[in-house]
Amino acid sequence: AQKITQTQPGMFVQEKEAVTLDCTYDTSDQSYGLFWYKQPSSGEMIFLIYQGSYDEQNATEGRYSLNFQKARKSANLVISASQLGDSAMYFCAMRERGDYKLSFGAGTTVTVRA
Amino acid sequence: EAQVTQNPRYLITVTGKKLTVTCSQNMNHEYMSWYRQDPGLGLRQIYYSMNVEVTDKGDVPEGYKVSRKEKRNFPLILESPSPNQTSLYFCASSPIKTGPNSPLHFGNGTRLTVT
Repeated sequence: AQKITQTQPGMFVQEKEAVTLDCTYDTSDQSYGLFWYKQPSSGEMIFLIYQGSYDEQNATEGRYSLNFQKARKSANLVISASQLGDSAMYFCAMRERGDYKLSFGAGTTVTVRA
Repeated sequence: EAQVTQNPRYLITVTGKKLTVTCSQNMNHEYMSWYRQDPGLGLRQIYYSMNVEVTDKGDVPEGYKVSRKEKRNFPLILESPSPNQTSLYFCASSPIKTGPNSPLHFGNGTRLTVT
């Protein structure tokens, strides 16, 4: 069964606007971690933000924030004030308790328009 | 600079010709792993290693081998590559001591084409 689901294959956003990337996950563990990575066209994987399952506050890192809704098992990434350099593929990933593997979603391609 | 280094970045080969993709990290990380990325499937784990001489299969290990003779190196070996192994490959590492909230650090990827 798919552990991470990203339902938006591609999105367009206007420069300076905010964009929300959806991510839902499936786990029976109580302790887990959620990660978002960015992959620009050059191909490297860049870590953006982390949310632990026991964290009470939503994680934020600069223009990135994570809208964590534990009961709904969702961990949406919000990018505020989009910039042209935000055009990339974004991956949601989960690490379950006792395992160092990351399970990835299929990714969402974001294109920022000027 | 702390990094994971993969080589080569691009590789074109023919079916059945053995190849090795090297991976080295300079962060003294215990955990190392190989992933392949395919369109629509995200990244899937091939093999992983928790420490020297300790390796185990991930989700898609068929057709691949790995070894971990030194802590810093974790090569990926394709003994007899086939066209369905054409993919983008990533090596990644992570410390174990700092706990499961440590992100994976990725290499820059190796784009492999098998004809």
